[in-house]
Amino acid sequence: NAGVTQTPKFQVLKTGQSMTLQCAQDMNHEYMSWYRQDPGMGLRLIHYSVGAGITDQGEVPNGYNVSRSTTEDFPLRLLSAAPSQTSVYFCASRVDRTDTQYFGPGTRLTVL
Amino acid sequence: QKEVEQDPGPLSVPEGAIVSLNCTYSNSAFQYFMWYRQYSRKGPELLMYTYSSGNKEDGRFTAQVDKSSKYISLFIRDSQPSDSATYLCALSVIQGAQKLVFGQGTRLTINP
Repeated sequence: NAGVTQTPKFQVLKTGQSMTLQCAQDMNHEYMSWYRQDPGMGLRLIHYSVGAGITDQGEVPNGYNVSRSTTEDFPLRLLSAAPSQTSVYFCASRVDRTDTQYFGPGTRLTVL
Repeated sequence: QKEVEQDPGPLSVPEGAIVSLNCTYSNSAFQYFMWYRQYSRKGPELLMYTYSSGNKEDGRFTAQVDKSSKYISLFIRDSQPSDSATYLCALSVIQGAQKLVFGQGTRLTINP
């Protein structure tokens, strides 16, 4: 198993550009989440999904969209990037509520 | 006031020392307490999970919870250079909740 994979590893965007951060897992996990990690702020939940076709907002959803068309993939879309979205983004997955979360290696995003 | 406060460090100790990492929280509704370890440029991984006041041991690691004082600790005995990482506490109100509240993380370095 590859576990949780994220692409790209690094990305630089200009303000106003759009992009999609990819997240995939091959463990047949129903639950998937996106977090951002900023210095002095810990990790904050952006969006999450409890199964294909089901998504919900986390703590800091503004400026981000998600969809979950398959169990394996959970992409995060930035429609119009802003400097405030400069961060490290982590995707995580787990089997169900009783399971531990498995985090991907992260995507480092810089918005100029 | 942040819901969870964690001293960001950095903390540097010699190999073999006992390390104490701490978090305080303000919301008495938190019932589930976790410690994550995050190596540089990697995603967090769950180290310890507990839900009751008192101590829980796992090898060289001990998680301690004091709900009356709203204070949690992680102790590392016989610290090793491989323990050098950032340690994050995470709390939740409901078991298995998607919404975890993370501390800022403490960067720990164990010097050989």
